[in-house]
Amino acid sequence: EAGVAQSPRYKIIEKRQSVAFWCNPISGHATLYWYQQILGQGPKLLIQFQNNGVVDDSQLPKDRFSAERLKGVDSTLKIQPAKLEDSAVYLCASSPWTGKIKNEQFFGPGTRLTVL
Amino acid sequence: AQTVTQSQPEMSVQEAETVTLSCTYDTSENNYYLFWYKQPPSRQMILVIRQEAYKQQNATENRFSVNFQKAAKSFSLKISDSQLGDTAMYFCAFMNVRGGSEKLVFGKGTKLTVNP
Repeated sequence: EAGVAQSPRYKIIEKRQSVAFWCNPISGHATLYWYQQILGQGPKLLIQFQNNGVVDDSQLPKDRFSAERLKGVDSTLKIQPAKLEDSAVYLCASSPWTGKIKNEQFFGPGTRLTVL
Repeated sequence: AQTVTQSQPEMSVQEAETVTLSCTYDTSENNYYLFWYKQPPSRQMILVIRQEAYKQQNATENRFSVNFQKAAKSFSLKISDSQLGDTAMYFCAFMNVRGGSEKLVFGKGTKLTVNP
């Protein structure tokens, strides 16, 4: 079974530029998550999708971050414009949805963003 | 809001020995899930073990076991017969059961090094 795919693996941009990250979850997984992991910290949830609907985006900085999951499969996370403090690893994860049971989240390799 | 604290930024252990990683959390909820995730160097995060708060029996997965003390809000991970492949960052994480969000709240992590 193929895992969660993310691209690019690394990205370096100047502040105020725009950047987009792509995620393809495990086939059949209805739930998709984007986490931000700043160096020296644990991941922080930015947004959770259930199919193509948003379940939780309470920690997403909506003035500069946006995400979409068209057709309920792959997803794109965008930052526009980027700030220095956005330098982090952006992790995508997916899980199957089986009603009330809280399932394991499977993580991708992440995209390491450096903002100069 | 829930918080997760890992008080040991770094630990080391000799191969074949046993090591315990500490985790405490704060919540007003009665039912929740707790997780330990492993993040090897330059590799993706994987689930090590999961504990449901309503289950009094401590979870075990081969060489990995937890000591779950609900009243003390403590959730430590014991690794027996440590192997070189156990070298990684270990993150303790909390998930609330109520509501549709399946947000994982992570601690800052413990860097474990297994020495030959």
